Amino acid sequence: AQKVTQAQTEISVVEKEDVTLDCVYETRDTTYYLFWYKQPPSGELVFLIRRNSFDEQNEISGRYSWNFQKSTSSFNFTITASQVVDSAVYFCTLSEFYMNRDDKIIFGKGTRLHILP
Amino acid sequence: NAGVTQTPKFRVLKTGQSMTLLCAQDMNHEYMYWYRQDPGMGLRLIHYSVGEGTTAKGEVPDGYNVSRLKKQNFLLGLESAAPSQTSVYFCASSYSDGSRSSYEQYFGPGTRLTVT
Repeated sequence: AQKVTQAQTEISVVEKEDVTLDCVYETRDTTYYLFWYKQPPSGELVFLIRRNSFDEQNEISGRYSWNFQKSTSSFNFTITASQVVDSAVYFCTLSEFYMNRDDKIIFGKGTRLHILP
Repeated sequence: NAGVTQTPKFRVLKTGQSMTLLCAQDMNHEYMYWYRQDPGMGLRLIHYSVGEGTTAKGEVPDGYNVSRLKKQNFLLGLESAAPSQTSVYFCASSYSDGSRSSYEQYFGPGTRLTVT
């Protein structure tokens, strides 16, 4: 069965520290998509990144970077030099699509990140 | 350009009452989704739609119905509300290029529903 595990329920770090949020997924399909979303205290969900299963290149966007490793079924997210504004709940998401079957979209349970000033 | 909007923002229902949540998007997206978010559970997909006039079940469809009569609107109905349906409901939409690809979702602000 499809599954997304974010083992870290809650993390607290001091501002300017680096922090990595882990995401491990399970799927039997070769074509799938992975996403990260941010949910700040205001409640809205904001898209951060999309990756398809055929693109294992790591990505960097400012202070954010993502490490996708199919060999370990992981899609980890690192924030460098964290800031208080990074405090939020972060969700890792798996999407699978099949011919003649319903789509599957699975959210992890989220990691609540506290950045302490 | 409002993005994805949801109506209402808050609602309190008594057990057995019915209501409809309205989601509207102005991005001409084909795909629309309804999720519920409960503490410690992440988001769970209730129903989704891949285009006007089509709907499909997600992970937790029981107790809900949906309709997509217009491309820009996606309605979520509760026919007989139960306390277990107390949750925050999010609507989302996403682009489709006509292939079986998955693109990022744009979310509405959420509706907080309490069933007593």
